[in-house]
Parts: sequence; structure tokens; C-alpha cells
Amino acid sequence: DADVTQTPRNRITKTGKRIMLECSQTKGHDRMYWYRQDPGLGLRLIYYSFDVKDINKGEISDGYSVSRQAQAKFSLSLESAIPNQTALYFCATSDPDRGGQPQHFGDGTRLSIL
Amino acid sequence: AQSVTQPDIHITVSEGASLELRCNYSYGATPYLFWYVQSPGQGLQLLLKYFSGDTLVQGIKGFEAEFKRSQSSFNLRKPSVHWSDAAEYFCAVGAASGTYKYIFGTGTRLKVLA
Repeated sequence: DADVTQTPRNRITKTGKRIMLECSQTKGHDRMYWYRQDPGLGLRLIYYSFDVKDINKGEISDGYSVSRQAQAKFSLSLESAIPNQTALYFCATSDPDRGGQPQHFGDGTRLSIL
Repeated sequence: AQSVTQPDIHITVSEGASLELRCNYSYGATPYLFWYVQSPGQGLQLLLKYFSGDTLVQGIKGFEAEFKRSQSSFNLRKPSVHWSDAAEYFCAVGAASGTYKYIFGTGTRLKVLA
């Protein structure tokens, strides 16, 4: 099984709908992240969480919210989806106890908003 | 400001040819440096990382990268490219300690000609 699992893998929905993307991990890492990827823009950080009680905004948090239900679960919500939120979304984890460790990524959720 | 620049958006090489992907960074503290590869439909996979010590680091799939502090560069190289190396490559930087933040370049898409 994958260490970082994202569901769904693909989603098509309409403008104005509420959408939740889910991420679960088996790595035991405290830190979890949500990114979006757009062509030519690389990865941009939406939200990150150091633990269940610590959630922080990233550089592009407007229009998004998150929930850290447990150490292993971190969900991203779009309360009212709009077309410019069409993108590839990635969840990632990292281990803070070992400085400078790389992030571990899920396979992504491709989201299309019509 | 902290940033990572990958100046080449697209690179095309013939199979068997050598490869160098460029990465320049701007970072106030001692950086940790990473290269990731993203194959279609998949998440980012770590190729290699540099923390300290020998400035030439070896990674998976025959890749290596050289850290040059004087040039603020961390270029990725491979002596002989295989068709399966066609993918998108991302350079990333993170702080040496205590931070959440990883900064990604915008990526370089590699095409391999048979």
C-alpha cells in the first residue's frame, strides 16, 4: 500500500459545489501539507499542519479550508468551487524530528471544475 | 526573498545522450536541496538530496547533482539518458532546521528522443 494515499484520484464537478479531497498516511509523520500544481507554476502551498492542533495557511489559502482529523488524516475542502481551482492537488508529509528531511507525496488528485 | 529557479521549461535530448538540468536558489540560511521527478499520473518521487558534506551527491536511477555554493546552484546530471527518464523534474529547497517550508522550482519537462 502507498505511504500517502489521496482520494479521489480524479474528480469533475460544477461551479459552486463543495468538494473534499482526502489524504491519509501510514508514515507516522506529524507534518502534512496540501499543494496545488498548475502548469508552469510548480507546486504552491495551500495549507500545512504540524500536528492535529496546529494548522497554518500557506501562500494560496483563499477559497480553501482544511481539517486534520487525526495524525494520519488531512483533508482539503473547497467550500464553493470555482473554475480557476481546476488543478492537480498533492498531499505530502515530512518528518520534523529529522532536520531537513524530504517530503513524501501522494499520487495527486486531478480536479476539474466546470 | 527565498526562491528556486529552473531556467529551462522544456529540454529535449536523444536517448543515450548526457543530461544536465539547472537549478539556482536564493535562500538566506543554509539550505537543504532536493531533486524530485514526476512521471505522468504520479506524485513526486525523491531522486536525491543534499544536506552537507560532499558536494557531489548520488541519487536513484543513475542521477547525480552537484552543489556549488558560490554559484547558488544545484544542477542535476545523468551521463546517459534512457527513454524512461522522460518526466518532469523539480528542484526544491528547505531550511536546515525548524521550518515548515519547502520551496519548489517551476519544473523542467524532459523529452527523450529514441
